[in-house]
Order: sequence, then C-alpha cells, then structure tokens
Amino acid sequence: AQSVAQPEDQVNVAEGNPLTVKCTYSVSGNPYLFWYVQYPNRGLQFLLKYITGDNLVKGSYGFEAEFNKSQTSFHLKKPSALVSDSALYFCAVRSYMNSGYSTLTFGKGTMLLVSP
Amino acid sequence: KAGVTQTPRYLIKTRGQQVTLSCSPISGHRSVSWYQQTPGQGLQFLFEYFSETQRNKGNFPGRFSGRQFSNSRSEMNVSTLELGDSALYLCASSPLSREVYEQYFGPGTRLTVT
Repeated sequence: AQSVAQPEDQVNVAEGNPLTVKCTYSVSGNPYLFWYVQYPNRGLQFLLKYITGDNLVKGSYGFEAEFNKSQTSFHLKKPSALVSDSALYFCAVRSYMNSGYSTLTFGKGTMLLVSP
Repeated sequence: KAGVTQTPRYLIKTRGQQVTLSCSPISGHRSVSWYQQTPGQGLQFLFEYFSETQRNKGNFPGRFSGRQFSNSRSEMNVSTLELGDSALYLCASSPLSREVYEQYFGPGTRLTVT
C-alpha cells in the first residue's frame, strides 16, 4: 500500500530563515507526490506536485520541493520564511485502490510556525 | 471559476441523529471525493464519486454514505451519529486528468456531535 509519513508534528522557524518540512513516501512504482497547505478554518490548497522530470519542483508562494528517489523523500522547502506561511502542511501520494482507480493518501500533517 | 463550495459550514448535532452534508464541485469537474479530518487521525479518505458512481471507498462503517447527482454535486450522509464523528468534513473535486490526480478542496463542514 502507498503511504507518506511526516515525521514532525510541528516545525518552528524564525522569519527570514529557510524552512524545511519533511515527507517520506512508500510506493510501488513511480510516485506522484503532492504538497498541500491548510490555513485556519480553510480547506486545503494545492502547493506543488512531482510527477516526473526535474527533482526540484517549484510551486506557489515561493515554495519548492526536492524529490529524492534514493531516500524516498519529498521535502518541502522555502529559502526565506514569512509569518504568513504559518499553517498546516500536508504531503500526499497518489494511491491505487482495489477498484483500480486512484485517490490521494495524505500524511498526518506538519504544523509550521514562523515567529517574527 | 467558482471554487468548491460546501454547505453548511458549521453543524451541531446530537448523538443518534443523522446528518447530510452537501458539496458543489468546480464547474466541469466530475470527480468528487470526501475526507474526514480530525486532529488525531489527520485526513482520512471516505469515498470518491465519478459520474454518479462510487468508485473508491475508504475504511469507514456503513453509517457513512454518499451519492452524486447528474450535475456532479455530491452529498454525504452520516446516520446514527457518534461523538467520534465530530470532525471537519472536506470535499474535493478533480478534473480527473489521466496524468495527475490534483484535487481542489472546499472550505469544509465542521460537524460537532454532542
């Protein structure tokens, strides 16, 4: 079964510093990986995805993610954090179910807190 | 384009009651998925509908059901509510490209069971 793990419940970083939110995956075959962000009282917003190609994927709001096949990781990064980046971040992987159709399997989420 | 809409946004019910939540996908999207979000379990997949047919189903009891209408709008129903059903219920729609599975989420319905 396909799965993703987010080893950190919370990440704290000071504004202006680089940030990393970690994600590791377990899939058979080629992974389709995604990052979503959730602000308070809102639904999830798509940030970026990796399907194939360049291992460094650029997304919305200045975020990027690095795909590392040997380490089965897909860490989310940003060179300079903003207070407004404080939110809940979810990593997800495309998963095939018994029906043969795919869905998304999400990690448990990592709360990012950026201090002024 | 208007985004995914969910109604109601907030709901308070009593144990044993039933509830129906509604989701309107982005225009042109034919796939609608439902998720339950709780602090302890994160996002858990409930089911997915495409062209009025349930294609995928997560590991939830039969008290959780759903349906999709011909205009792609979807409803989910929870019968005999339990305290543990208190959660944020998220709906997501997808254009169902063959290459990726990108989903667009609504703001959710916050269900509180007392």
